[in-house]
Amino acid sequence: GESVGLHLPTLSVQEGDNSIINCAYSNSASDYFIWYKQESGKGPQFIIDIRSNMDKRQGQRVTVLLNKTVKHLSLQIAATQPGDSAVYFCAENRGGEYGNKLVFGAGTILRVKS
Amino acid sequence: DGGITQSPKYLFRKEGQNVTLSCEQNLNHDAMYWYRQDPGQGLRLIYYSQIVNDFQKGDIAEGYSVSREKKESFPLTVTSAQKNPTAFYLCASSTQALGGSGYTFGSGTRLTVV
Repeated sequence: GESVGLHLPTLSVQEGDNSIINCAYSNSASDYFIWYKQESGKGPQFIIDIRSNMDKRQGQRVTVLLNKTVKHLSLQIAATQPGDSAVYFCAENRGGEYGNKLVFGAGTILRVKS
Repeated sequence: DGGITQSPKYLFRKEGQNVTLSCEQNLNHDAMYWYRQDPGQGLRLIYYSQIVNDFQKGDIAEGYSVSREKKESFPLTVTSAQKNPTAFYLCASSTQALGGSGYTFGSGTRLTVV
């Protein structure tokens, strides 16, 4: 079936560097994407979202880029901090006969070295 | 404060037993969802409900059952038919109008079969 997936399972970065987490999706009809951060033993925390009519969206220290041509999105974290260490998921919002639902990728572990 | 509450945080089940996980929200959200998360994996959709007294199967509904008698509550029962129930279970709710950014997650229930 169609799914959302990630390229890199683990990413290690030095504190202060920028981080880039990638995600590929296969459902070309999806029109909404979300990035979540999950810390150990906790539920996912919303970071940033983007609609398919946009290529880029910026938040506080984070930027999401969407390339619909190659069905790829990325999350950029500027000046990565130890508190950014977590698992990051991209998710695809799919509409349908029974309403919206989120389809998640496998996740990328981000480790920040001090 | 509005939010979504899952209980218990940890749950132990003997093989052959049914157990029910609680999910309550006071956000006045119409839609509610149950996800399962296995170690090193993303979230997979079990069941979801867009309105009271109606719910739909997700990708891995076998061995699970739900009810939606009240807007605020969406309990999940893990039945004895679920052969590998040990996992982290996450409940979420959303407002359809907001799409992905309207999803709120609970803090999860970790179920272990003993």
